[in-house]
Order: sequence, then structure tokens, then C-alpha cells
Amino acid sequence: SAVISQKPSRDICQRGTSLTIQCQVDSQVTMMFWYRQQPGQSLTLIATANQGSEATYESGFVIDKFPISRPNLTFSTLTVSNMSPEDSSIYLCSVGRGVFQETQYFGPGTRLLVL
Amino acid sequence: SQQGEEDPQALSIQEGENATMNCSYKTSINNLQWYRQNSGRGLVHLILIRSNEREKHSGRLRVTLDTSKKSSSLLITASRAADTASYFCATAANTGTASKLTFGTGTRLQVTL
Repeated sequence: SAVISQKPSRDICQRGTSLTIQCQVDSQVTMMFWYRQQPGQSLTLIATANQGSEATYESGFVIDKFPISRPNLTFSTLTVSNMSPEDSSIYLCSVGRGVFQETQYFGPGTRLLVL
Repeated sequence: SQQGEEDPQALSIQEGENATMNCSYKTSINNLQWYRQNSGRGLVHLILIRSNEREKHSGRLRVTLDTSKKSSSLLITASRAADTASYFCATAANTGTASKLTFGTGTRLQVTL
């Protein structure tokens, strides 16, 4: 298993501003994943973050809007830039375990409300 | 979108009853997983079933997989109030370097006393 923490746990932000979410893992991991969960919806993968390389973004998500850092094997940040009310969601990071990172362990999530 | 569908969207049962949730998906998979989410918090992994498996058990959980129908079911037996949560299936296609997960739409389970 893995212990994952996220900061902040929740925030209320004004439109046009940016928020950086931190994800800390208690052990070294190769890949970290960032998901978005819009109100009442399922999870959608934003990007996969490898240490030492650029993050890989899924269709519909771009680096300018969601820049990601991965400075070491236990930490990553996701920034939600130039926020609008449509960005109000829960943002979750996860890490994989197993040969193909099959089982994922999730952080508690960051609940973001944009006014 | 490759997102799978789950049904029912919501399920309300009494404690002690069994709960069955179904998941359908669209593409070939390496494995299918079930996760639980309590009150909009982080997800907890419940069980993983590989594409060459048909049934798997873990405690009160029973998962089946029918790759010909691209469907899976999760059975929770003898439900408890603490089982109240949202349940999501997730499929992994295995890209070779990482198994990106595609989540289903989820089933909200309410277990009442």
C-alpha cells in the first residue's frame, strides 16, 4: 500500500486565479497520476507524471491549463491555472503499485470551489 | 470517451441484504478493478480481476468478469451500513509502461438499518 497526502484539502478561489495542489507519497514511485472528479461525476485522468520527464496529458487537458511538476520520486504538484467556475471539482492524485502500476492508491483529494 | 457505464446509478438496500452492481466497458482490457469512494473522498481499491479470470472473491465481495460481453459485476453480500459509498469500476488497457485507468460512471449504494 501507499500513504498519500494532499494539500490543501479544500479551497475556495476567485476566478482568474491559480491554485497549486501538492501530492506527497510516503515511498518512491515511478508514476503519479492526477484525476479530476467534477460534482457528482466519475473520475477523469488529467495526466500521468513521471519523474524526470514531461507529464503526459490526456485528450482535453493541456499543460498551459494544468501544469504539473514532478521534482522527485515522492512528490508532485498540479496547478489549476486561470480558474473558472467550471474548474470546481475534486482533484485527486494517485500512485500505482505492481509490475504495470495496476492497482492505484489515491490521496484524499482536494476539493476546489471557484467563484 | 472510453468511460464505462455502471448500473444501477443508485441502489438502496437494507442492512443484511446483498447488493449487486454492474459495469460495462467498451475496449479490450488487461484487468478490471473496483474502487469505493466515501463521501467524495479518496478512492479505496477493493479488488482486481484479470482478463483471463472469470470470478474472484475477497471477503464479502464477489466479482465476475465476462470479456465476451465486456461486462463485470460486483456483489456485496450481507451488506452493512458502513458499505454506504459510491462504487466505481475501472478498466486498465495496459499501455506497456503504465496501466491508465478508465473509470465507470459509478453506483451510489445506500445501506439502511
